[in-house]
Amino acid sequence: DAGVTQSPTHLIKTRGQQVTLRCSPISGHKSVSWYQQVLGQGPQFIFQYYEKEERGRGNFPDRFSARQFPNYSSELNVNALLLGDSALYLCASSLGPRDTYGYTFGSGTRLTVV
Amino acid sequence: AQSVTQLDSHVSVSEGTPVLLRCNYSSSYSPSLFWYVQHPNKGLQLLLKYTSAATLVKGINGFEAEFKKSETSFHLTKPSAHMSDAAEYFCVVSEPGNTGKLIFGQGTTLQVKP
Repeated sequence: DAGVTQSPTHLIKTRGQQVTLRCSPISGHKSVSWYQQVLGQGPQFIFQYYEKEERGRGNFPDRFSARQFPNYSSELNVNALLLGDSALYLCASSLGPRDTYGYTFGSGTRLTVV
Repeated sequence: AQSVTQLDSHVSVSEGTPVLLRCNYSSSYSPSLFWYVQHPNKGLQLLLKYTSAATLVKGINGFEAEFKKSETSFHLTKPSAHMSDAAEYFCVVSEPGNTGKLIFGQGTTLQVKP
């Protein structure tokens, strides 16, 4: 079975632009979470979606948004990019919304804002 | 609020010697605690998980961790380090409820010398 797949793997954008990152969860998993990992730090929670509804939101500005599709894949959108948005963006999938189900992480999308 | 503190940002050991990565947690309830490992340019892999069943938790690749409530600690150990253990290690606590939020420590870089 395929694991969590994220695309693209690397991306370079200019300040002020918009970016869309994509995540396909493990087959059968209905929950997708997004994390931002700035170089040298631990990942920070951005969103969790379960059954196409937002279940949790971290302390990120409204420039960050996400959605989940009927097939449970997800997109993370970031508008008006800032240099500080440069980071590794990780997607995690699980069967349900709670940690008891366990999370599987993808390899991430490396976003560089110049 | 839940939080974790990893007491060492960098640990260096020789191959074949024991590994100790230290983590203290803060939680107002009985927490779910995890250790994740991240190899360079890779996603996060779950090493082990504590969810109140047993205080000594065994994980993959010979790692284990002991939950000590009196010390609010969840240290990760391995009897004998291998070169392939060199990576970034994160201690993680989950937020209660259905938000799916994981709270990561700052990470500990494990260096294994030949």
